[in-house]
Amino acid sequence: QKEVEQNSGPLSVPEGAIASLNCTYSDRVSQSFFWYRQYSGKSPELIMSIYSNGDKEDGRFTAQLNKASQYVSLLIRDSQPSDSATYLCAVLKGAQKLVFGQGTRLTINP
Amino acid sequence: EPEVTQTPSHQVTQMGQEVILRCVPISNHLYFYWYRQILGQKVEFLVSFYNNEISEKSEIFDDQFSVERPDGSNFTLKIRSTKLEDSAMYFCASGRDRSSYEQYFGPGTRLTVT
Repeated sequence: QKEVEQNSGPLSVPEGAIASLNCTYSDRVSQSFFWYRQYSGKSPELIMSIYSNGDKEDGRFTAQLNKASQYVSLLIRDSQPSDSATYLCAVLKGAQKLVFGQGTRLTINP
Repeated sequence: EPEVTQTPSHQVTQMGQEVILRCVPISNHLYFYWYRQILGQKVEFLVSFYNNEISEKSEIFDDQFSVERPDGSNFTLKIRSTKLEDSAMYFCASGRDRSSYEQYFGPGTRLTVT
């Protein structure tokens, strides 16, 4: 079982709609979770961090965490073409090491 | 907004040569990291560094790799004898402190080993 699992996509969403990205993780003791956005050929850019069960909102982005089910999700409201990128889910393992999923490629269609 | 910077943006080297990749972390950050991403693959942890020593390293980070903070601002990754399979994007990241586990990535150095 992969430590962090994401659907690789591509996920295609019309402009203005809600994009929903999901991630599951295998280590039940994990406590810290992150979503990064990576444009093609660029570095990961931190979008959200979430540490507690429930929802965390920041602008158009909402991260959701369910530790019992071991999943994290990211919702992007009012999707824009500029949101087209690969979204990486990362889980903190131990105190320092981020373990990344393969990423979900998101395309927003105008 | 402060950013992590990396130089060079692209490094081409021949197999067996030594390379040094340089990073300037965000100035008030205390934790420093190197990750790599082979083309088409996921981002992989290499090493973390705190208080002038390695705090954790992955299986990838073998004796060919070393890290150093030679002064108050730079953080370097050295690969002593490069192999073809070392070709990848190398990302430096930094984190502020233990109250926040967030890590901020630099733009990366593309290493091509021929």
